[in-house]
Amino acid sequence: KQEVTQIPAALSVPEGENLVLNCSFTDSAIYNLQWFRQDPGKGLTSLLLIQSSQREQTSGRLNASLDKSSGRSTLYIAASQPGDSATYLCAVMGTGGFKTIFGAGTRLFVKA
Amino acid sequence: DGGITQSPKYLFRKEGQNVTLSCEQNLNHDAMYWYRQDPGQGLRLIYYSQIVNDFQKGDIAEGYSVSREKKESFPLTVTSAQKNPTAFYLCASSPRQGGTLMNTEAFFGQGTRLTVV
Repeated sequence: KQEVTQIPAALSVPEGENLVLNCSFTDSAIYNLQWFRQDPGKGLTSLLLIQSSQREQTSGRLNASLDKSSGRSTLYIAASQPGDSATYLCAVMGTGGFKTIFGAGTRLFVKA
Repeated sequence: DGGITQSPKYLFRKEGQNVTLSCEQNLNHDAMYWYRQDPGQGLRLIYYSQIVNDFQKGDIAEGYSVSREKKESFPLTVTSAQKNPTAFYLCASSPRQGGTLMNTEAFFGQGTRLTVV
């Protein structure tokens, strides 16, 4: 059974700092991995989608990497800003088509 | 603009009542999903539908029911059989490519917060 773990559960950093959020999964047989952002009381916004054949994806100040063999993904945020404060969720789509397993998220707070 | 609309944003249910959460999308997506989110936990799949008039149970379907009579709509009913319905409910959709795999982005609605009073 696929399990997705995100560490740390919460993180507070000063503005301008580069940071890394971690996501680990137990079953390496995945089709893709997706990072989402969730603001309080809101839905999810897709940030980056990494196909199983890819190693990384980049969008602006965000870079996500994927290492299937070790069951790990990282989300790198460069030059963090207070507007980056949100919960970041990692989701893995495994075999079985529509089975997407979510992590519990990392709550990020960027201090001005 | 294309997107997913969930309504209402807040919903209060009395003990023993059935309530229905609405989810509508104009993205022309085949697949739609319902998730439940509890504090400190990841999203858990309740039901999903790959095509009109077809839907499948997710991991926590007990106490819930759905219908998919139209491509655009996937309403979720929380029945009195669901003993702990207080949670944040999220609807999502995605295009369905070819066979059974969805290898693309999922789009989410803004959620409905359901509280039992």
